[in-house]
Amino acid sequence: DGGITQSPKYLFRKEGQNVTLSCEQNLNHDAMYWYRQDPGQGLRLIYYSQIVNDFQKGDIAEGYSVSREKKESFPLTVTSAQKNPTAFYLCASTDAPRGTEAFFGQGTRLTVV
Amino acid sequence: GENVEQHPSTLSVQEGDSAVIKCTYSDSASNYFPWYKQELGKGPQLIIDIRSNVGEKKDQRIAVTLNKTAKHFSLHITETQPEDSAVYFCAASWISGRFGAGTRLTVKP
Repeated sequence: DGGITQSPKYLFRKEGQNVTLSCEQNLNHDAMYWYRQDPGQGLRLIYYSQIVNDFQKGDIAEGYSVSREKKESFPLTVTSAQKNPTAFYLCASTDAPRGTEAFFGQGTRLTVV
Repeated sequence: GENVEQHPSTLSVQEGDSAVIKCTYSDSASNYFPWYKQELGKGPQLIIDIRSNVGEKKDQRIAVTLNKTAKHFSLHITETQPEDSAVYFCAASWISGRFGAGTRLTVKP
């Protein structure tokens, strides 16, 4: 089955640690995105990538980093510089930057303990 | 990037009533307008979309209308049911990957 997979579903992090959230898609999509969602809030764009080996900052990139070494993978690292990382993180992919449906993963809930 | 405004932020209706959510956009070059539904604890899913060469599209109880001159588009849900309760997001094209702020719809039985 084609789709987009995020792992883990739940993640706990101690303060001061970096953690990496996984996002994998087998849809052969060029573009991939990372969003942060706080309780009762909308989708805020962290980073996006329209092609392998290239990515751009979104609206809230500070404290996060990404890589796009393979078309199917777009991992997000939440660094210790992110002061309030507890949130729900969503990854998405599309076939093209505009004009097509976006497919979302089921999300990773990150909690700082 | 494209600026999309969505209203209202919350909407409560009685089961069986209609619900309307509106979005406005700024970039006249936008040509694709999707609507997504997000249920609690899940990722959003596309429920309907419309392209700029069409004024209205309908799929059973949901419909989307587009007014390119005024740069706004709306989601219409008729005969609402409790399972329609969710958060709904709009977008205008996708080049920037940005959505409207979302509308939390509650359908009361």
